[in-house]
Amino acid sequence: GAVVSQHPSWVICKSGTSVKIECRSLDFQATTMFWYRQFPKQSLMLMATSNEGSKATYEQGVEKDKFLINHASLTLSTLTVTSAHPEDSSFYICSAPGGLVTDTQYFGPGTRLTVL
Amino acid sequence: AQSVTQPDIHITVSEGASLELRCNYSYGATPYLFWYVQSPGQGLQLLLKYFSGDTLVQGIKGFEAEFKRSQSSFNLRKPSVHWSDAAEYFCAGAGSYQLTFGKGTKLSVIP
Repeated sequence: GAVVSQHPSWVICKSGTSVKIECRSLDFQATTMFWYRQFPKQSLMLMATSNEGSKATYEQGVEKDKFLINHASLTLSTLTVTSAHPEDSSFYICSAPGGLVTDTQYFGPGTRLTVL
Repeated sequence: AQSVTQPDIHITVSEGASLELRCNYSYGATPYLFWYVQSPGQGLQLLLKYFSGDTLVQGIKGFEAEFKRSQSSFNLRKPSVHWSDAAEYFCAGAGSYQLTFGKGTKLSVIP
């Protein structure tokens, strides 16, 4: 089946620094990718939709200047957490649809971000 | 508003016992419905999905789910639970292009 990878799987950074998380579709192309955030023992919350070649679409309440998304190719989307603060510590997960947008989505393994 | 509800936060069953995880949805029309499993340190894995047709859907790992329009439910079942089934289970719906997840149900399995 389709595989989505994320890198890094785990990152610790100091408050005020920026962190970039990569999401790659390994064996298929994805014009759209989704970024989710999952707090401990909670569900996944959609942050934004990443669109190849155009601006990302952010969900209400998500700061686009803080969570920069770039979808530069059909297999790569990046999420950059700028000026990270401890409250940004979370589990970030990306997904990409394998076919129709409402068809099966394939999820990356997630990236655990800890901001000290 | 579109929503997916999982009423049970945590369920504990004995190994070999049957399992049913509940999921209710609220959509204007019949959504696409999914069940995902998340194991510690691993990504979400699709167990099964319902788009249309037969309301009883078979998935991987011996799981099945039944879509009941009258009850707005899509409950996940397994006749005999294995210790390796211990994980977090998420029900999700897609009415348009994005998935809406329930809050998840943590399954613990007693040996």
